[in-house]
Amino acid sequence: DIQMTQSPSTLSASVGDRVTITCRASQSISSWLAWYQQKPGKAPKLLIYRASSLDSGVPSRFSGSGSGTQFTLTISSLQPDDFATYYCQHYITYSPESFGQGTKLEIK
Amino acid sequence: EVQLLESGGGLVQPGGSLRLSCAASGFSFSTYAMSWVRQAPGKGLVWVSGISVSGTTYYADSVKGRFIISRDNSKSTLFVQMNSLRAEDTGVYFCARGHLTGTRLFDQWGQGTQVTVSS
Repeated sequence: DIQMTQSPSTLSASVGDRVTITCRASQSISSWLAWYQQKPGKAPKLLIYRASSLDSGVPSRFSGSGSGTQFTLTISSLQPDDFATYYCQHYITYSPESFGQGTKLEIK
Repeated sequence: EVQLLESGGGLVQPGGSLRLSCAASGFSFSTYAMSWVRQAPGKGLVWVSGISVSGTTYYADSVKGRFIISRDNSKSTLFVQMNSLRAEDTGVYFCARGHLTGTRLFDQWGQGTQVTVSS
């Protein structure tokens, strides 16, 4: 199975900061990579698919890049609503390991 | 508006059974693949089971032979029958809709239902 590894596990930042989260796949997944945002007690929300395509209604401060095995999620200017946990996911196959372990974005 | 509403969770003893339901509305349910994703307390997301538009089923190895996913398109409802439950099955179970361009990409999620397996 393809393993997804995110870094860092926790990230402390301030409103207005530019932040980047990295996701690495154990083998090439082309651009079959999604990013989700999850807030405590809530369902995950799809932000980005196909590595760099924003889902409908997602603010333009979110962007994704990468292909193959290395991917990044960037938030250009953090807003208070952005403090949450972020997960990457490959969607090449159904797999219990398709999600990364998550990156918790905390207020500094 | 797309809505997915899970129900059926609860507290069950090891070895017991539960049937979860996910009632869908606001879209043509029969034309979308669907999945169940689990989140253990304080942990990340784990895909558990999926079902295609045609009814083909998929399972994580950890639940194969114990869980059965199904769908009733006439009622726009997704189910999972969970048997021989174990402590490690504990968590919030989300139903998730597969994206039209990639069925393993989840574009809509329910709010989840809690399953606790404990004696």
